[in-house]
Amino acid sequence: DVKVTQSSRYLVKRTGEKVFLECVQDMDHENMFWYRQDPGLGLRLIYFSYDVKMKEKGDIPEGYSVSREKKERFSLILESASTNQTSMYLCASSLASIGGYEQYFGPGTRLTVT
Amino acid sequence: AQTVTQSQPEMSVQEAETVTLSCTYDTSESDYYLFWYKQPPSRQMILVIRQEAYKQQNATENRFSVNFQKAAKSFSLKISDSQLGDAAMYFCAYRSPFTSGTYKYIFGTGTRLKVLA
Repeated sequence: DVKVTQSSRYLVKRTGEKVFLECVQDMDHENMFWYRQDPGLGLRLIYFSYDVKMKEKGDIPEGYSVSREKKERFSLILESASTNQTSMYLCASSLASIGGYEQYFGPGTRLTVT
Repeated sequence: AQTVTQSQPEMSVQEAETVTLSCTYDTSESDYYLFWYKQPPSRQMILVIRQEAYKQQNATENRFSVNFQKAAKSFSLKISDSQLGDAAMYFCAYRSPFTSGTYKYIFGTGTRLKVLA
């Protein structure tokens, strides 16, 4: 079974703090994703990485950055957390870009910024 | 731009009955992939079913089947013999072909399914 894990299930941070969300997958997947899930808005892609050290902006990258130094690990960074970044964050991974491979999701991190 | 629309924010079904969740999408591509994902309360999102656009035959997975209408750009999910464990948020997703070194993965806004005992 593919396993995607995220560093925290729940996180509470203060406005202005730098926040790190980590995601690890154990199936040697090339592609990794960070989404934000908000009620009524579905999943919105923040960043996408198709290989180590490679990244691509998604639909809502503002206020976020990412790091992928190793194939199995993809980190999302909130440089200066703001209250409008309070949300559920989902990490996902999938096999190579060619082919209609499904995504495997982590359990999510519910981040609250106060 | 590609879009995915789920027009039913919430649906209910009686246990053992059949329910159909709707999804429409918009794309100018001819070769793409469609998915239904299930997100149970407080649990991880998992794949329910996948459909390749080049396949005319509708995908089925046990009690789950799709009605894929390519010309109408419609991709509905039918759940037969509904069970209490089917209660979840269901997301429809579109994956574009891999062209120009990238691809897009777009999700709908979700349909919350309640199963009544």
